[in-house]
Amino acid sequence: DTGVSQNPRHKITKRGQNVTFRCDPISEHNRLYWYRQTLGQGPEFLTYFQNEAQLEKSRLLSDRFSAERPKGSFSTLEIQRTEQGDSAMYLCASVPDRASGELFFGEGSRLTVL
Amino acid sequence: AQTVTQSQPEMSVQEAETVTLSCTYDTSESNYYLFWYKQPPSRQMILVIRQEAYKQQNATENRFSVNFQKAAKSFSLKISDSQLGDTAMYFCAFMTRQGAQKLVFGQGTRLTINP
Repeated sequence: DTGVSQNPRHKITKRGQNVTFRCDPISEHNRLYWYRQTLGQGPEFLTYFQNEAQLEKSRLLSDRFSAERPKGSFSTLEIQRTEQGDSAMYLCASVPDRASGELFFGEGSRLTVL
Repeated sequence: AQTVTQSQPEMSVQEAETVTLSCTYDTSESNYYLFWYKQPPSRQMILVIRQEAYKQQNATENRFSVNFQKAAKSFSLKISDSQLGDTAMYFCAFMTRQGAQKLVFGQGTRLTINP
């Protein structure tokens, strides 16, 4: 499968714990996006990378959140000191260039904070 | 800031019927894309159809077509001859052609196709 891969698919954690999600984009896609989707809502933009550079962050991304994309390949999204309000689906998407505008999404990582 | 509004939280039709999903948006940009994405249960979001704002002709993809009214900032999706596999959440989304090119999504419409 050469699509966008996200792991783990589901994470259950206790409040206050740290969690990390990984996204492997489609090979040679140089842009990578993270979105958050809460139940019954549309996805909301969190941040994006052009290769290894993080170029924009939403104000939704509090200082407990950090994203990296070392070497411009896979990306990680870490949430420190999780809160119940962090419970959501975290979606990753990649895109090869600016031309088409279409984003290719992974299946998401669902976080449940107890 | 751009906003996208989908006023139909849920819709349900019989197989083979035609259904139209509504979407309105607000922007001061003149150069942008509009999209309909489909999110089946427990599956990844996939692109259904794309419209470039500078194109007057409405986009079509097989059974899917849009009615793009730029002045009214309206972008509806019509699904003809609906199939059981069309059951999903449908999101209308906006993207500027400049900058981060991040998608701004509506709240979604849950579409159920009944046999």
